[in-house]
Amino acid sequence: NAGVTQTPKFRILKIGQSMTLQCTQDMNHNYMYWYRQDPGMGLKLIYYSVGAGITDKGEVPNGYNVSRSTTEDFPLRLELAAPSQTSVYFCASSGPQRGEQYFGPGTRLTVT
Amino acid sequence: GENVEQHPSTLSVQEGDSAVIKCTYSDSASNYFPWYKQELGKRPQLIIDIRSNVGEKKDQRIAVTLNKTAKHFSLHITETQPEDSAVYFCAAVYQAGTALIFGKGTTLSVSS
Repeated sequence: NAGVTQTPKFRILKIGQSMTLQCTQDMNHNYMYWYRQDPGMGLKLIYYSVGAGITDKGEVPNGYNVSRSTTEDFPLRLELAAPSQTSVYFCASSGPQRGEQYFGPGTRLTVT
Repeated sequence: GENVEQHPSTLSVQEGDSAVIKCTYSDSASNYFPWYKQELGKRPQLIIDIRSNVGEKKDQRIAVTLNKTAKHFSLHITETQPEDSAVYFCAAVYQAGTALIFGKGTTLSVSS
């Protein structure tokens, strides 16, 4: 099993550009999550999904959108990138017990 | 809203000493409390977790204690080693068990 994979690993965006961060898991987990981690800070939940077709906002959803058309994939869309979105983005998934969350390797995004 | 406070933010110990990190949470409905270790440039990884029907859990040199009445839980690492140096995050489940809220992290440095 590859676990949780994310692409790209790194990306530099100009202000106002858009992009999609990809996340895929092969563990057949229903629950998937997107977090951002700013330097010296903990992880802040952006959006989460409890299953295909169902998504909900976390702590910091503004400026982001998600979709969940399949169990495996949970892409995060940034529209009109802003410098405040410079961060490391982690995708995670968890199984039916909603216990351990498995994290992807992260995407380091810089908006200039 | 829900909140998890984590202390201290940095902790330096000598190899072989014990380290204790403490967290408090606000949502009395929380019933799952994981601890994650994050090495520099890597993804967070679960090291131990505890559910609210248990007061203490041990795994070799690592233990977690939970006081539901006081709404706090702690991570104890005994016989610390240089490879324990990392950032440690506590977390508590919220939103009816669908998501985690993280503390801001503790940077542990173990010197030999």
